[in-house]
Amino acid sequence: AQKITQTQPGMFVQEKEAVTLDCTYDTSDPSYGLFWYKQPSSGEMIFLIYQGSYDQQNATEGRYSLNFQKARKSANLVISASQLGDSAMYFCAMREPLIKAAGNKLTFGGGTRVLVKP
Amino acid sequence: NAGVTQTPKFQVLKTGQSMTLQCAQDMNHEYMSWYRQDPGMGLRLIHYSVGAGITDQGEVPNGYNVSRSTTEDFPLRLLSAAPSQTSVYFCASSSESPNYGYTFGSGTRLTVV
Repeated sequence: AQKITQTQPGMFVQEKEAVTLDCTYDTSDPSYGLFWYKQPSSGEMIFLIYQGSYDQQNATEGRYSLNFQKARKSANLVISASQLGDSAMYFCAMREPLIKAAGNKLTFGGGTRVLVKP
Repeated sequence: NAGVTQTPKFQVLKTGQSMTLQCAQDMNHEYMSWYRQDPGMGLRLIHYSVGAGITDQGEVPNGYNVSRSTTEDFPLRLLSAAPSQTSVYFCASSSESPNYGYTFGSGTRLTVV
């Protein structure tokens, strides 16, 4: 069964506008972490933001914020004031459970390609 | 620069050949992993390690071997390359801190012909 689902294969967004990238996940473990990564055309994986399952507040990092709705098992990424450099592939990932023996393994979604239009 | 170093960046193999993808990190991270990324897809876990001398299989381990003799190094061996192993390979490392983002290497683009 797929654990991380990103339903938007591709999106266009106008420069300076906000964009929301959807991510839903499936886990029965109460202890987990959710990550978003950016992969530009150059190919590297860039860590953007993290949300822990026990965190009371939604995570924010600069122009990135994570809309965490635990009951719905969703962890959507919001990018505010989009820039041309935001054009990239974006991956949602989950780590569960948060114990050493589990190896800190990440499960990735299929990704969403974002293209920012000037 | 501190981080995860992968070599080589590009490699072409013939079917049946073997090779080792190198990965080294200088952040003293306990956790290291190998992922593969096929076109248009997310990353899938091949093997991982929670410390020197300890490795385990991920989602797609067949055809690959790993070892972790030191904290710094985590090589991935392809035993007998097959066209299905054509992919981009990423090595990643992480500290034990749960909210610490993984640091990924720049990737190795492997083509098996």
